[in-house]
Amino acid sequence: KAGVTQTPRYLIKTRGQQVTLSCSPISGHRSVSWYQQTPGQGLQFLFEYFSETQRNKGNFPGRFSGRQFSNSRSEMNVSTLELGDSALYLCASSAPRLGAAETQYFGPGTRLLVL
Amino acid sequence: AQTVTQSQPEMSVQEAETVTLSCTYDTSESNYYLFWYKQPPSRQMILVIRQEAYKQQNATENRFSVNFQKAAKSFSLKISDSQLGDTAMYFCAFYNQGGKLIFGQGTELSVKP
Repeated sequence: KAGVTQTPRYLIKTRGQQVTLSCSPISGHRSVSWYQQTPGQGLQFLFEYFSETQRNKGNFPGRFSGRQFSNSRSEMNVSTLELGDSALYLCASSAPRLGAAETQYFGPGTRLLVL
Repeated sequence: AQTVTQSQPEMSVQEAETVTLSCTYDTSESNYYLFWYKQPPSRQMILVIRQEAYKQQNATENRFSVNFQKAAKSFSLKISDSQLGDTAMYFCAFYNQGGKLIFGQGTELSVKP
């Protein structure tokens, strides 16, 4: 099976702009989680989507949003970019089962630089 | 709220030797899952090993094994016969529900020839 793919891999934006990142999960995986990784804050959970519904959300401002499509592909949007949004954005997919945790498999990430 | 602590920011080990990375966590839940991921310089996050809290037996994957002490809330990773390709950042992670992994701050491991 192909792994999790993320596009684009690198992105440079300026303050105030908005950006959309894409994540295609492993075939058959219906859950997609997003994480932000920075040197200062480490890895932080943004949100998780399952069957086109946001099931969980981390402590990020409303500028961070996401959605999931019927084919399980997910997009993450950040509006009004700030310098502090510069980070590696990772998505992970899994195939949740009732009452159990399935392992999350990560994509290669999108490195966002805000100037 | 759950927290994960990795108290060793950096470690080094000679090739072919054994090294143990520490991880402690805090939770009031009884059913949860613990993971170790590695992140090499390529930044690709790779699963190393997984442990279900309800299982008493420690998980093992080839050269990687864990020492899971549920009462002490400790979850250490032992790497045997270290190889140069093991050089990476290692993250301990806790999972309870809702698609959310809680990560520790990571331990940067260097394997020296």
